[in-house]
Amino acid sequence: GQQVMQIPQYQHVQEGEDFTTYCNSSTTLSNIQWYKQRPGGHPVFLIQLVKSGEVKKQKRLTFQFGEAKKNSSLHITATQTTDVGTYFCAGDFGNEKLTFGTGTRLTIIP
Amino acid sequence: NAGVTQTPKFRVLKTGQSMTLLCAQDMNHEYMYWYRQDPGMGLRLIHYSVGEGTTAKGEVPDGYNVSRLKKQNFLLGLESAAPSQTSVYFCASSTPAVGVNEQFFGPGTRLTVL
Repeated sequence: GQQVMQIPQYQHVQEGEDFTTYCNSSTTLSNIQWYKQRPGGHPVFLIQLVKSGEVKKQKRLTFQFGEAKKNSSLHITATQTTDVGTYFCAGDFGNEKLTFGTGTRLTIIP
Repeated sequence: NAGVTQTPKFRVLKTGQSMTLLCAQDMNHEYMYWYRQDPGMGLRLIHYSVGEGTTAKGEVPDGYNVSRLKKQNFLLGLESAAPSQTSVYFCASSTPAVGVNEQFFGPGTRLTVL
C-alpha cells in the first residue's frame, strides 16, 4: 500500500538547538505537504513541495524534497518555544487524498 | 468566513450507542475528509468525498458511514459505538487545483466510548 514513514517520533531539544524530521515513501510522490499541529489544536498547512530536488524556506524552517520525489525533510534552525508541536508530512500520490506520516512531536527545553 | 467547523466538540458515548458528527465548510470546497487521530498513529483517513453525493473509503472505514448530501456538509456516523472508536476526529476540506491543494482542518471532536 501507499505509506509514508516519518522519523523520529519524538524530539526533545534545548531552546536554540536545531531540529530535523524526515519522511520517506516507498513510491514516487506527486507532491508532499507539511503540517504543524500545536498541542490541543488542529493541523495547519505549512508548505507544499512539488518539484524534484525542491528546497523552500520559511524564516527558520527549511523544507526539502528529494531528487526521486520519495523523501522529504523539515529542518528548523535555532528552535524557539513557539516551535513546540507535532509536525506531519503528508504524501500526495495523485489520488485525491493525502497519506499522513505518524508525525514528530517537538518539545523545547527552555 | 468560519472555514471548517465541527459539531460537537466533545462527546461521551456508551458502547452500542450511535451518533453523527457534523462537518461544515463555507469555502465552496469540492473535497472533504474525515480522519481519526490516535496517539502515535498520526492522522488516518476514514472516508472522503470528492463532490456532492459521492463518498469513498479511506484507510480505516470499518464501523463508520458517511454522507455528503450537500456540498458544504459531510456527516460521519457511528451506528454502534465501540471503545476502539475512542479518538479525536478531524474533518478537512480542500479544492482540486493546479498548484497548492492544502487541506483546511476543523477544530476536532473528542469522542470517548465507555
